[in-house]
Amino acid sequence: DTGVSQDPRHKITKRGQNVTFRCDPISEHNRLYWYRQTLGQGPEFLTYFQNEAQLEKSRLLSDRFSAERPKGSFSTLEIQRTEQGDSAMYLCASSLATPRVPGNTIYFGEGSWLTVV
Amino acid sequence: KQEVTQIPAALSVPEGENLVLNCSFTDSAIYNLQWFRQDPGKGLTSLLLIQSSQREQTSGRLNASLDKSSGRSTLYIAASQPGDSATYLCAALIKAAGNKLTFGGGTRVLVKP
Repeated sequence: DTGVSQDPRHKITKRGQNVTFRCDPISEHNRLYWYRQTLGQGPEFLTYFQNEAQLEKSRLLSDRFSAERPKGSFSTLEIQRTEQGDSAMYLCASSLATPRVPGNTIYFGEGSWLTVV
Repeated sequence: KQEVTQIPAALSVPEGENLVLNCSFTDSAIYNLQWFRQDPGKGLTSLLLIQSSQREQTSGRLNASLDKSSGRSTLYIAASQPGDSATYLCAALIKAAGNKLTFGGGTRVLVKP
């Protein structure tokens, strides 16, 4: 257990429905990241926050995706009007500060599996 | 575009054999490189992190080397055990890519008893 919690761990939804995932980072970590991983591939970056500010978003984060971190603690990732191509594992990670600085390791959660049927 | 590649995609070895996993990256300007283990359906467990100023890191049976000039990192696992069966991912923190990790596609390892 890395200390990064994600909920729910698994979600099956019908195409067109909205889904929301929650991530609770390690408590003192001010950086929070979202990645997406499809079967047989490595994780791909979606977005990251420093405290409550969303500082970077990937092109992968279409208009149907929105991420928030309202109080600089937990974060939510919402997918609207889900499509079958959204089926993947959504990974959350956190770090104390910029990972460029030695010692600020990025820790990953167990992931949230999404299946869109 | 910065890329991280892991070849082969899958590897099968008999128990006791040493494992050698390869990772290559196109942009040698990195802050660090990290190796992760991922069990089926699970998240990522960090194994070793090598800073750009380091040449290698060791933890128990694991040893990771870094050669920035050739854009390569290698993870060695000595005396493999069936419990080492998992997918191993490398990820580079590339300077030009900002604050995000760039992952390889992973190598799926099976250690046969």
